[in-house]
Amino acid sequence: GAVVSQHPSWVICKSGTSVKIECRSLDFQATTMFWYRQFPKQSLMLMATSNEGSKATYEQGVEKDKFLINHASLTLSTLTVTSAHPEDSSFYICSARDMTEGDNSPLHFGNGTRLTVT
Amino acid sequence: GQNIDQPTEMTATEGAIVQINCTYQTSGFNGLFWYQQHAGEAPTFLSYNVLDGLEEKGRFSSFLSRSKGYSYLLLKELQMKDSASYLCVVMDSNYQLIWGAGTKLIIKP
Repeated sequence: GAVVSQHPSWVICKSGTSVKIECRSLDFQATTMFWYRQFPKQSLMLMATSNEGSKATYEQGVEKDKFLINHASLTLSTLTVTSAHPEDSSFYICSARDMTEGDNSPLHFGNGTRLTVT
Repeated sequence: GQNIDQPTEMTATEGAIVQINCTYQTSGFNGLFWYQQHAGEAPTFLSYNVLDGLEEKGRFSSFLSRSKGYSYLLLKELQMKDSASYLCVVMDSNYQLIWGAGTKLIIKP
């Protein structure tokens, strides 16, 4: 089945530094990938939609200059958390939909990245 | 506004059957998904319904009534590994996903 690889699985960084998270679709191509954030005991919250070859679409309240998204190819999207602060500590999850399966096909999720900012 | 309601928590016994309900109010409808999420892990896809009726997949079944804005996920022969959160997700007319808060299912021996 379709596999999404997300790296790293966990990262600890110091306040003020930047962290890059990679999301790769291993056996399918995705023109669109989605980035979610999940705080403890809460549901997934969509942060932004990553579009291959164009700018990402950010949800209301998400700072695009802080959460930089690059979708350089049909199999790779990256999320960079710039100038991270402790309140950015969260579980970040990417997902993608196989572009051959249609808009209402299920999402395939990466395993998530647990970010801790000290 | 768009809204999805599902119980916060449910408890069931190993070997039993449990039904997790979900009601929704969204701008249009393009399908309803159920995902399973174990603590600290990403969600995994369980089922998809776009037409009324019951979809059965092994121990799991999902039901949809579009006129009532209602779905349920039925889990049979419960196993301890089924302890997880179950997320009801609706795709609206713009193909945007609306996520429920999830139902934490606790399985007791």
